[in-house]
Amino acid sequence: NAGVTQTPKFRILKIGQSMTLQCTQDMNHNYMYWYRQDPGMGLKLIYYSVGAGITDKGEVPNGYNVSRSTTEDFPLRLELAAPSQTSVYFCASRGRHEQFFGPGTRLTVL
Amino acid sequence: DQQVKQNSPSLSVQEGRISILNCDYTNSMFDYFLWYKKYPAEGPTFLISISSIKDKNEDGRFTVFLNKSAKHLSLHIVPSQPGDSAVYFCAASANSGGSNYKLTFGKGTLLTVNP
Repeated sequence: NAGVTQTPKFRILKIGQSMTLQCTQDMNHNYMYWYRQDPGMGLKLIYYSVGAGITDKGEVPNGYNVSRSTTEDFPLRLELAAPSQTSVYFCASRGRHEQFFGPGTRLTVL
Repeated sequence: DQQVKQNSPSLSVQEGRISILNCDYTNSMFDYFLWYKKYPAEGPTFLISISSIKDKNEDGRFTVFLNKSAKHLSLHIVPSQPGDSAVYFCAASANSGGSNYKLTFGKGTLLTVNP
């Protein structure tokens, strides 16, 4: 049981490039979330999904897109990367009450 | 508008002593509270939680206290161990009314336990 996995661990992007952050969970959870954490700050919700085919915006969705075609996968897409998107990104899935987090992707946009 | 506040960015305690981490919230709709622990270069891991119908929840060395009237919760770690050194995040959720169980996080408190 791997829990929540994320790839890649690290990535450097140039301004204007695009990329997809991958997230997979093997716990059969319906609810999944994407957060970003900036230095000295808490986690801020980007997007979330309550099940396959259903997604909704969180607190800071601008510049991102998501899809949820299966229960297991919840990829986050960055279009036209900007320096303000330099952050650590965490994916999570929800169990009975708590959320389980992946190890994170550290993204730098230069 | 910070709905969950952890006003102490850092806390340093001696091994074996008690660590008390504090958290305040402003949203009266929050009815479930969680503490997460985070080591560098890792994702947050769930530590302990409490529902608003309780005022205390205990799990081994970790106890969370909830004071609803003051909108305040605290995490007690007794005794503190060097391996407890990490960033601790307080999080809150409004688990009713179609909230979709979204968590609102505080900024975190860096706990350092000195041997």
